[in-house]
Amino acid sequence: DGGITQSPKYLFRKEGQNVTLSCEQNLNHDAMYWYRQDPGQGLRLIYYSQIVNDFQKGDIAEGYSVSREKKESFPLTVTSAQKNPTAFYLCASSRPVTTNTGELFFGEGSRLTVL
Amino acid sequence: SQKIEQNSEALNIQEGKTATLTCNYTNYSPAYLQWYRQDPGRGPVFLLLIRENEKEKRKERLKVTFDTTLKQSLFHITAAQPADSATYLCALQGSYQKVTFGIGTKLQVIP
Repeated sequence: DGGITQSPKYLFRKEGQNVTLSCEQNLNHDAMYWYRQDPGQGLRLIYYSQIVNDFQKGDIAEGYSVSREKKESFPLTVTSAQKNPTAFYLCASSRPVTTNTGELFFGEGSRLTVL
Repeated sequence: SQKIEQNSEALNIQEGKTATLTCNYTNYSPAYLQWYRQDPGRGPVFLLLIRENEKEKRKERLKVTFDTTLKQSLFHITAAQPADSATYLCALQGSYQKVTFGIGTKLQVIP
């Protein structure tokens, strides 16, 4: 089945540790995104990538890093510099906006808890 | 700065009625406006997309309007059912790939 796979679904981390969240898609989409969602809040954009080997900061990129070495993969690292990392993280992908489709396909999310 | 406003309070309606959700935005000229449904603990699911040159879009019981002058979109669910209970998110996209979401409106359809 085509789709987006995020792992792990739940993750616990001690303060001061970096953690990497995986996001893989087999939809052949060029664009990929990472969002963060806190209780009672909307989705806030962390990073997005329009094409392999290129990515842009979103609205809340501080304390996060990404890479886009392969079209299928867009891992997110939550570094120790992120002051409040406990949240629900969502990865998404889409076809290029130039194809006039543009809708995002989301994974099931990764819930990170810092102990 | 860009701002997307959705009624963050929950909307409660009776089964069979029409639910109307509002999305207002400022300091933005989106090329596309999208609506998503999100269930608790799950990723959002795409529902409808409307382009800046379109006034209205329909899909089954769903209807979206887009008024670029008022900077507003309305999302309607006709003959609402309890299974429609969820949080509905509005999202704006410019001519590039960046997609920005509103906070969402929680809809509760009462049997």
